[in-house]
Amino acid sequence: DAGITQSPRHKVTETGTPVTLRCHQTENHRYMYWYRQDPGHGLRLIHYSYGVKDTDKGEVSDGYSVSRSKTEDFLLTLESATSSQTSVYFCAISEELAGQETQYFGPGTRLLVL
Amino acid sequence: AQKVTQAQTEISVVEKEDVTLDCVYETRDTTYYLFWYKQPPSGELVFLIRRNSFDEQNEISGRYSWNFQKSTSSFNFTITASQVVDSAVYFCALSEATGGGADGLTFGKGTHLIIQP
Repeated sequence: DAGITQSPRHKVTETGTPVTLRCHQTENHRYMYWYRQDPGHGLRLIHYSYGVKDTDKGEVSDGYSVSRSKTEDFLLTLESATSSQTSVYFCAISEELAGQETQYFGPGTRLLVL
Repeated sequence: AQKVTQAQTEISVVEKEDVTLDCVYETRDTTYYLFWYKQPPSGELVFLIRRNSFDEQNEISGRYSWNFQKSTSSFNFTITASQVVDSAVYFCALSEATGGGADGLTFGKGTHLIIQP
């Protein structure tokens, strides 16, 4: 258990509304990530963070923004949700063991945009 | 650009059979990291193994074994004497050396393994 929680776990929203998903970790990990999982695509990286206020874009960052004002929280915002953003969103942290980084995932947030 | 291919979309075997899940990767880096994750029907992602590109030793953990071959850019996963609890979607993933392996992972599309009793 890497001490990762995601909230909410399920959300239904309407097209055009803003949505913020929260990832919270309790073990002071430096690196955090947001992925989305869609049938036929596996998981794809949206954004990641390598420290407070340090973030970078991933493969599918369009339509998403992130913020990290505290080490323990990494927020993913959909400024104006679209139906194509219906997905399962996973947060991950990277844990260093013996000088090597391995990613561990939170439980996921299921988002439905109507 | 890096890429991971899991050509087997779905595999169905009868319990106690051995099964191999294929993973082929592409990368321009000479140093990289390969991973396998398991996603059971409950939906969480479970880390199984990490392998560094400079370590070509095969690994065995109980009924699980992994065969890493740089010559064919493959990192295959074998389950021996499969059990119903092995039923899950299995993902292979790749991370390049930039950032010490802490950059995001590139995932394959996953293989849905069904173990029939």
